[in-house]
Amino acid sequence: EAQVTQNPRYLITVTGKKLTVTCSQNMNHEYMSWYRQDPGLGLRQIYYSMNVEVTDKGDVPEGYKVSRKEKRNFPLILESPSPNQTSLYFCASSLGGTNYEQYFGPGTRLTVT
Amino acid sequence: KQEVTQIPAALSVPEGENLVLNCSFTDSAIYNLQWFRQDPGKGLTSLLLIQSSQREQTSGRLNASLDKSSGRSTLYIAASQPGDSATYLCAPREGDSSYKLIFGSGTRLLVRP
Repeated sequence: EAQVTQNPRYLITVTGKKLTVTCSQNMNHEYMSWYRQDPGLGLRQIYYSMNVEVTDKGDVPEGYKVSRKEKRNFPLILESPSPNQTSLYFCASSLGGTNYEQYFGPGTRLTVT
Repeated sequence: KQEVTQIPAALSVPEGENLVLNCSFTDSAIYNLQWFRQDPGKGLTSLLLIQSSQREQTSGRLNASLDKSSGRSTLYIAASQPGDSATYLCAPREGDSSYKLIFGSGTRLLVRP
């Protein structure tokens, strides 16, 4: 089944404790990205990647890192999480080019205390 | 900066009604527009992708139209069912290399049996 998977689905952590949210797709998509969803602010793009070893900042990249060492994986790294990073996170992927729909993962609900 | 507005914010209808969800966006320089549904606690499910050169796209009981020059898209749901209850999001894709989707706040739909 073609899908985007994320792990963990739920995470409660404390301020300053490094964490990684994994994202993997099995559709051989070139493009992957991360969004966060907050009440009243909608979904906003954090980082995106056009292909292996090619990443760039989205609208809200502060406090996050990403890497794209393999085509299928695009982990989101929070080196020192803070409470304002409490959010619902989504990973998305699509084929390259302008005419393809984006597929989203099931989301990761992160709480930083 | 692209801004997306969805009207109405919430809608409650009896089963069987045909309904229209509206989406407007401020910058017509888009590559395409996607409609998603989001169920509580779950990810985003892509419903329809409509290219900037298209006027309409249909999938089952769903029909999306796009008037790029006026910055509008509508999602028409025919013969609504309780299973259609969800939040519906429209997301035009930016006309640059980021592939970024700009999301509206959504329309929360409740279809009453």
